[in-house]
Amino acid sequence: QVQLQESGPGLVKSSETLSLTCTVSGGSISGYSWSWIRQSPGKGLEWIGYIKSTGSTNYNPSLKSRLILSLDTSKNQFSLKLSSVTTADTALYYCARDGDFFYYWGQGTLVTVTS
Amino acid sequence: EIVLTQSPGTVSLSPGERVTLSCRASQSVSSSYLAWYQQKPGQAPRLLIYGASSRATGIPDRFSGSGSGTDFTLTITRLEPEDFAMYFCQQYDTSPRTFGQGTKVEIK
Repeated sequence: QVQLQESGPGLVKSSETLSLTCTVSGGSISGYSWSWIRQSPGKGLEWIGYIKSTGSTNYNPSLKSRLILSLDTSKNQFSLKLSSVTTADTALYYCARDGDFFYYWGQGTLVTVTS
Repeated sequence: EIVLTQSPGTVSLSPGERVTLSCRASQSVSSSYLAWYQQKPGQAPRLLIYGASSRATGIPDRFSGSGSGTDFTLTITRLEPEDFAMYFCQQYDTSPRTFGQGTKVEIK
């Protein structure tokens, strides 16, 4: 059974960079695409972007200028870096396996941006 | 981007009742690239339906999806106590993938 687990700081200061990692267990990261999705009361569910196991990426245009996704196949992990954060980036961040739709999700990690 | 509008915002029903949830797209979703999710408090969304009408693994047959183009529906034929939750639609026809704002199915 594939399992995903997000990790990273729960508090980030405004204007700094938000960094999260998703660790995949129960299956290989290779051969699949992997997404980040966030959820906030104001914006609902928002797809952030995906990275394929080849390293190619597809970002939501609303975040593209601030976003970098990467992966480490040796650790079966993929990561998100979102720069210049504001309080609007406060959300519950999920990682998920991307098959266009999302069957496997992490439990989510709450990131609060402080001003 | 494709905007998905779900209705109603909230519906109050009793166990055993039937419910139909709507998801309307701002432009046609080709090849029925639409999914439905259920989310309970403190949990990640759970995939119910993909391809507009295909049930995901392990989803009971009281859940069904239909529709095409811009209008899609999720029907729960007989509500069980565990079905009271939030429901979201998601399109994966065009990038960026987008979600509807959700419908809350609450106990009357």
